[in-house]
Amino acid sequence: GENVEQHPSTLSVQEGDSAVIKCTYSDSASNYFPWYKQELGKRPQLIIDIRSNVGEKKDQRIAVTLNKTAKHFSLHITETQPEDSAVYFCAARSSGNTPLVFGKGTRLSVIA
Amino acid sequence: GAVVSQHPSWVICKSGTSVKIECRSLDFQATTMFWYRQFPKQSLMLMATSNEGSKATYEQGVEKDKFLINHASLTLSTLTVTSAHPEDSSFYICSALVGIFSYEQYFGPGTRLTVT
Repeated sequence: GENVEQHPSTLSVQEGDSAVIKCTYSDSASNYFPWYKQELGKRPQLIIDIRSNVGEKKDQRIAVTLNKTAKHFSLHITETQPEDSAVYFCAARSSGNTPLVFGKGTRLSVIA
Repeated sequence: GAVVSQHPSWVICKSGTSVKIECRSLDFQATTMFWYRQFPKQSLMLMATSNEGSKATYEQGVEKDKFLINHASLTLSTLTVTSAHPEDSSFYICSALVGIFSYEQYFGPGTRLTVT
């Protein structure tokens, strides 16, 4: 089955700096790669996703890149703000009724 | 659209009792629902895949006789934790697909279970 590795587990950045979180996946059949932000006690919130036919996607300060050959994808947050502090999860799944498999998460702290 | 609800949002029960958690898709029909468990400071771990009208498929290491899943309709899946123990205390989150051609999974708000 799918295995998703995520790094780093914790990340501290100064406000205004960029943050990058990286994930690798194992199943070449995976074709959907979302990123979630989770605050304590809440459900994961989808912040951006990318499908396997796209190499990069951007939404304001957030961007995701995908390298299918290397089986890795990354989340980039620019101009970080204190409210970006949270736990971020990457995930991957293939089509049909297969479930998302999550990375272990990255705790991002943005220091004002 | 694509709203998933869970009930209850939190529950405290005594060791040895059973607890039922409901997951509903409010504005769509979910042929497939997933149940995840999340321990503090850990990731979401898939427990089982539930397809409407058929038996759930459990992940390795998840006891199917302890975590009973029923997906009797296209809008409702239930997870019953039987003979709960303190180690079952966790955050349980359901998730649904809008059809097999859908990419995004929609998550419920989660249920915090505490077993005393």
